[in-house]
Amino acid sequence: QLQVQESGPRLVRPSENLSLTCTVSGGSISTSKYYWGWIRRPPGKGLEWIGNIDYKRTIEYGPSFKSRVTISMDTSKSQFSLSLSPATAADTAVYFCVRHVYGTWQTDYWGQGTLVTVSS
Amino acid sequence: QPVLTQSSSASASLGSSVKLTCTLSSGHSSNVIAWHQHQPGKAPRFLMLFGGGGTYVQGSGVPDRFSGSSSGADRYLTISNLQSEDEADYYCETWDGYTRVFGGGAKLTVL
Repeated sequence: QLQVQESGPRLVRPSENLSLTCTVSGGSISTSKYYWGWIRRPPGKGLEWIGNIDYKRTIEYGPSFKSRVTISMDTSKSQFSLSLSPATAADTAVYFCVRHVYGTWQTDYWGQGTLVTVSS
Repeated sequence: QPVLTQSSSASASLGSSVKLTCTLSSGHSSNVIAWHQHQPGKAPRFLMLFGGGGTYVQGSGVPDRFSGSSSGADRYLTISNLQSEDEADYYCETWDGYTRVFGGGAKLTVL
């Protein structure tokens, strides 16, 4: 059974770095069948795609985040990470790590999500 | 880049059916979409992958009460025999290569 689990600070100060890690278990992160991503949901708003990465380090970022986001992967730890800097109050959201399917392209698996609050 | 438009809310009675709509923007009317359900406090759940030709993939454990259909640029999610646990936000998703977009979401209230 695949599990993806987000971890990282729940409170981030404005202008600092928002950093999260997703740990994948119950399946390989180094696979040509899937790639991995981050999606968030701000309070009272809809889902926002942040970006994707695959095991070959092919990366794509959402246009709203391109200037301040970095997504990376450590296959030895079965983890991929998100860094958003500088953080602002508008980045307060529930952040989900997800799996996407190569070929059919949809998001087919979601983590539980973690609420990150950006506040002084 | 495609844009997906959803009505913000819908409501229907327990045991009845409801049809949610997701409209693809001009030039993307043939796109395949995915439907997702997000219940409060839970992980979102992939419901189905759907295109103009029909349902390609039903999510694991998703009951047959959830079905897809389409007409032109519109993609529909029909939920039959509504249950209280169907009260949730429903999102459609599409993509252009690695780039993906979501609709604004529809909040479904089960009366």
